[in-house]
Amino acid sequence: TQLLEQSPQFLSIQEGENLTVYCNSSSVFSSLQWYRQEPGEGPVLLVTVVTGGEVKKLKRLTFQFGDARKDSSLHITAAQPGDTGLYLCAGVNTGFQKLVFGTGTRLLVSP
Amino acid sequence: GAVVSQHPSWVICKSGTSVKIECRSLDFQATTMFWYRQFPKQSLMLMATSNEGSKATYEQGVEKDKFLINHASLTLSTLTVTSAHPEDSSFYICSALAMDRLWPQHFGDGTRLSIL
Repeated sequence: TQLLEQSPQFLSIQEGENLTVYCNSSSVFSSLQWYRQEPGEGPVLLVTVVTGGEVKKLKRLTFQFGDARKDSSLHITAAQPGDTGLYLCAGVNTGFQKLVFGTGTRLLVSP
Repeated sequence: GAVVSQHPSWVICKSGTSVKIECRSLDFQATTMFWYRQFPKQSLMLMATSNEGSKATYEQGVEKDKFLINHASLTLSTLTVTSAHPEDSSFYICSALAMDRLWPQHFGDGTRLSIL
């Protein structure tokens, strides 16, 4: 069974702080996605990283895919209250066409 | 962008009732749809993979007689929770993969099921 462990599970910070969320697995994935989910809604795709070592930036969010394609990180610079939500990484195993979701990181950014 | 619609968004019903949830791809054809379950403050757990015109593939531990999936057309998959009980209360989310099978999956907004 493929598992994706995220850390931390919960993070409560003040507006303006930086943070990093980690997504780790012992399995190799063909690509990895990051989603943000708000209560009562479906997850919204933020980014897909495909190549080992790849770094993608989305405004204040920086995503990195590990060289071995087993792990990833999400770094948020100068967090804002609008960043509050559940962040989920998801590994893509193309052969099985399934997403394996991580355990999730709940972020709360206070004004 | 691609849109996936789920209906209903929220349902409350009595124990023993069967509940049907619809997942529609509004502007594309989806050969594959996925059904997930999410408990409060937890991540999404894949329940089953639904392929148009064939039987669904269920994940280990998911009762196929309890959670009936039908994918009769390229734009509609349904999940029926049969004889629902309070422990079936959860947030159910579907996603759809377009016919060209290019990622990403497109997610619906979920259905909150509450069994009294």
